[in-house]
Amino acid sequence: DIQMTQSPSSLSASVGDRVTITCRASQAISSWLVWYQQKPEKAPKSLIFHASYLQSGVPSRFSGSGSGTDFTLTISSLQPEDFATYYCQQYYSYPITFGQGTRLEIK
Amino acid sequence: EVQVVESGGGLVQPGGSLRLSCTASGFTFSTYWMSWVRQAPGKGLEWVANIRQDGNEKHYVDSVEGRFTISRDNAKNSLYLQMNTLRAEDTAFYYCARAEDPAAAIGWFDPWGQGTLVTVSS
Repeated sequence: DIQMTQSPSSLSASVGDRVTITCRASQAISSWLVWYQQKPEKAPKSLIFHASYLQSGVPSRFSGSGSGTDFTLTISSLQPEDFATYYCQQYYSYPITFGQGTRLEIK
Repeated sequence: EVQVVESGGGLVQPGGSLRLSCTASGFTFSTYWMSWVRQAPGKGLEWVANIRQDGNEKHYVDSVEGRFTISRDNAKNSLYLQMNTLRAEDTAFYYCARAEDPAAAIGWFDPWGQGTLVTVSS
């Protein structure tokens, strides 16, 4: 199974900050990676697919990069609505696996 | 509107069974792979199973293989998860999720349902 490891597990930041979350795969997955945002009591929402493609309707302050084993999600200027938990997911091989999540909190 | 809605969650004793349902609308259900993903309260996401458009190919995470069965009824735009021999560690919100790309056997998910809670406890 491919293990997905996110860092940090939690992060405190302020509105307007630039934030980067990383996701590392235990083996190369090309660009078969998606990032989700999940707010409390809600289902996950996709943000970035194929490592760097912005999902329709997602603000341009979100961006993704990486390939192989190392990936990043960047929020260029945090907005109040961005405080949530973020997950990466690989879709290179079965079983489909997720990172453990990064909780982004208000400082 | 493209959406999926789960139902069937509840409280069940260890060793018991439960069947979850998911009803799809707003898209051609029969042309998409469908999945179940679960999330224990306060924990991360775990993919459980998926099923091909015609129902003839299925994949499971090891922890549920042999206990859970995914199925679908394209005439009813419905997805199911039969869960047997339930354990305390199966307690979670269970989400129904559509594959975003109908051509992809393995992919990412959009949309997701709102989730249905399964609690396994005596």
